[in-house]
Amino acid sequence: EPEVTQTPSHQVTQMGQEVILRCVPISNHLYFYWYRQILGQKVEFLVSFYNNEISEKSEIFDDQFSVERPDGSNFTLKIRSTKLEDSAMYFCASRPRLAGYEQYFGPGTRLTVT
Amino acid sequence: KNEVEQSPQNLTAQEGEFITINCSYSVGISALHWLQQHPGGGIVSLFMLSSGKKKHGRLIATINIQEKHSSLHITASHPRDSAVYICAVRGYSGAGSYQLTFGKGTKLSVIP
Repeated sequence: EPEVTQTPSHQVTQMGQEVILRCVPISNHLYFYWYRQILGQKVEFLVSFYNNEISEKSEIFDDQFSVERPDGSNFTLKIRSTKLEDSAMYFCASRPRLAGYEQYFGPGTRLTVT
Repeated sequence: KNEVEQSPQNLTAQEGEFITINCSYSVGISALHWLQQHPGGGIVSLFMLSSGKKKHGRLIATINIQEKHSSLHITASHPRDSAVYICAVRGYSGAGSYQLTFGKGTKLSVIP
């Protein structure tokens, strides 16, 4: 069964460094999402992406965040200058074009900012 | 902004018990998701529903749109059902975005 994959599974970085989290959505899906979950807290929406542009973003998704689909298969989340509070699990998800379909989640990348 | 509340926060059950997890939300929605999060952190989608009832194996999900309430039932619970169960709702946001608002989750432990 096709699945969403994410790399790396765990990333440790120093405060102020840039990180890129990578996702490979399911191949025929057209809508893409990033979510984050700070340890012990609920999952939060960051951004949705369709037709090579952001379709919606949350208050969390400020100027230090960006997303890109550079090559038609990868979907990336870049954090330009990481802060301690960016430490969280980041989930990618994708959905087919048709309405009424569920989102499929990746296994997540645990980001630790020291 | 939609507020999603789940109850209980924690639930311990004996193997074989019938389990119910509840979710309520404050604003009308276009769909509701039930998700399962394993101890390792991965999230699996169990159901997406906008009305009525869905069943998959031992899992049953129901939703009452008028009461803004959904329940997830697990029949004949098993230790492998131990996980965090998360309710997430989709509002009437802009075309194509389908932003989800999540509850805090219910941690289920099934004891042999």
